[in-house]
Amino acid sequence: DAKTTQPPSMDCAEGRAANLPCNHSTISGNEYVYWYRQIHSQGPQYIIHGLKNNETNEMASLIITEDRKSSTLILPHATLRDTAVYYCIVLNQAGTALIFGKGTTLSVSS
Amino acid sequence: EAGVVQSPRYKIIEKKQPVAFWCNPISGHNTLYWYLQNLGQGPELLIRYENEEAVDDSQLPKDRFSAERLKGVDSTLKIQPAELGDSAVYLCASSRDRVTGELFFGEGSRLTVL
Repeated sequence: DAKTTQPPSMDCAEGRAANLPCNHSTISGNEYVYWYRQIHSQGPQYIIHGLKNNETNEMASLIITEDRKSSTLILPHATLRDTAVYYCIVLNQAGTALIFGKGTTLSVSS
Repeated sequence: EAGVVQSPRYKIIEKKQPVAFWCNPISGHNTLYWYLQNLGQGPELLIRYENEEAVDDSQLPKDRFSAERLKGVDSTLKIQPAELGDSAVYLCASSRDRVTGELFFGEGSRLTVL
């Protein structure tokens, strides 16, 4: 599976949009981009995933560049409860397990 | 719908003692995972089950770690004997099937080895 690169930390003001970048320049055509987050002392939580098209759900939006070498997770109106570690993972849908990196620690402050 | 349930939530033991963690996945989920998470790191896969069969246990330290998933539902992860370096959070997750990347995680079992 392709490797991902994320900034170690980011800050965001409450109520503003949080844009979390992820580079996956070696992604291949059949690999999906998944995003998870992990709030302190909890297990990781699935947020969203996509292949080529942009995706949106009740939690976030996922923007994937046309060449698929990078993506951005957008939390449109960040709240204090969005403070967490966010993981970007590339997964080959061949039944292999998720491989987590260190992720980005997002700190939302008032 | 109940989520993935793990127990115990916290465990403190002395080195060389045995310890066991239990996981009850979401009903109907065929695939079960055990991950280990060290402080400040992302989770690392230990073992993955498809029903009762372990299909990926390459990262499980088999000299001291063992796991089972009898009847393809609940699972137990055991460490015997525990070492200081085993202090970590042990996470269980389940998914509907093996091809989805949407996993549901439990809250984890935090192990401290003294």
